[in-house]
Amino acid sequence: KQEVTQIPAALSVPEGENLVLNCSFTDSAIYNLQWFRQDPGKGLTSLLLIQSSQREQTSGRLNASLDKSSGRSTLYIAASQPGDSATYLCALEGFQKLVFGTGTRLLVSP
Amino acid sequence: SQTIHQWPATLVQPVGSPLSLECTVEGTSNPNLYWYRQAAGRGLQLLFYSVGIGQISSEVPQNLSASRPQDRQFILSSKKLLLSDSGFYLCAWSLGGSGNEQFFGPGTRLTVL
Repeated sequence: KQEVTQIPAALSVPEGENLVLNCSFTDSAIYNLQWFRQDPGKGLTSLLLIQSSQREQTSGRLNASLDKSSGRSTLYIAASQPGDSATYLCALEGFQKLVFGTGTRLLVSP
Repeated sequence: SQTIHQWPATLVQPVGSPLSLECTVEGTSNPNLYWYRQAAGRGLQLLFYSVGIGQISSEVPQNLSASRPQDRQFILSSKKLLLSDSGFYLCAWSLGGSGNEQFFGPGTRLTVL
């Protein structure tokens, strides 16, 4: 059974800092890994999708990496902004099903 | 472009009452459809998924059921709600097959009193 852990559970940083969110998983037999953000009381917004054969994906200030051999993924956020404040979730796809981590709550202070 | 709708946005129901939540997707055909629940203090849990009309797979045994009467319509139901059914219900879609990005709806906040 796939288990997904996200560390830290919460993170508070001043505006402008670069930061790294971590996601670890136990089963490397995955189709892809997806990073989402969730604002309070809202649905999930897809940020990045890394296919199983890829090592990283970039979108704007976001960069996500995937290392299946070590069971880890990282989400790097450059030059953080208050608008980045949200909960960030990683999710791994087995066959047509996503298994989610418990998330990292990020607060970026002006 | 594709859009996904859920309604209602919020719902307060008494214990023992029935439930019907609806999800529709526009701009795509034969999507995979999913229902998730996010309970307070817990992660997202997959409840049901569907790869086609009338095809429903259940992930968690419970008093909920799902149906897919049309290609882009997914319904979550219950005959009698329990207190433990309270939570945030999210519908999602992806292109058919595996390895495709999932896109989520705005969610329904259900409170069972």
